[in-house]
Amino acid sequence: AQSVSQHNHHVILSEAASLELGCNYSYGGTVNLFWYVQYPGQHLQLLLKYFSGDPLVKGIKGFEAEFIKSKFSFNLRKPSVQWSDTAEYFCAVNAHFNKFYFGSGTKLNVKP
Amino acid sequence: DTGVSQDPRHKITKRGQNVTFRCDPISEHNRLYWYRQTLGQGPEFLTYFQNEAQLEKSRLLSDRFSAERPKGSFSTLEIQRTEQGDSAMYLCASSLIGYNEQFFGPGTRLTVL
Repeated sequence: AQSVSQHNHHVILSEAASLELGCNYSYGGTVNLFWYVQYPGQHLQLLLKYFSGDPLVKGIKGFEAEFIKSKFSFNLRKPSVQWSDTAEYFCAVNAHFNKFYFGSGTKLNVKP
Repeated sequence: DTGVSQDPRHKITKRGQNVTFRCDPISEHNRLYWYRQTLGQGPEFLTYFQNEAQLEKSRLLSDRFSAERPKGSFSTLEIQRTEQGDSAMYLCASSLIGYNEQFFGPGTRLTVL
């Protein structure tokens, strides 16, 4: 069965620190990859997505992610986090039949 | 607001009762998805519709769960004979065929006492 692993469950950073959240998936075929964010009290929103082409994708609010096919990874990065980035981040994979598989999420707490 | 809406936002019920949730997708979206999310977990796929056809159901969806999308617009998710283990956030999302981006609603939080 397909699965998505997010190894960091809770990350605490100070403002201006760099961020990298890990995401690994298990599926050998073609995948579409996503990062969603959920700010406190809000619903899930798309942060960025990868379908094909350049493996380094840029999303909203200065976030980017790199798809490394050989490592089955799609890690999320941001060079300098802000307090407003405090949220929960979910990695998701769409493999086939339009089913999406989500990781368990990473809670990011940015200290001002 | 033209996003995905869900009703009710919160539901508290007693074990054994039936509950029904509604999802209104973005108006031109022909795909509609239901997910369940429990504390500390990401959304888990339950089922999805393309127009009015229910094309896939997860094994998580027991016989007590049924979903409909009668006219290809809004959808309902019914849980019969609720159990405490059904307590969760139920999320709805919609998308356009050919576009793999899902837009999520705010969810319905179900508490079964």
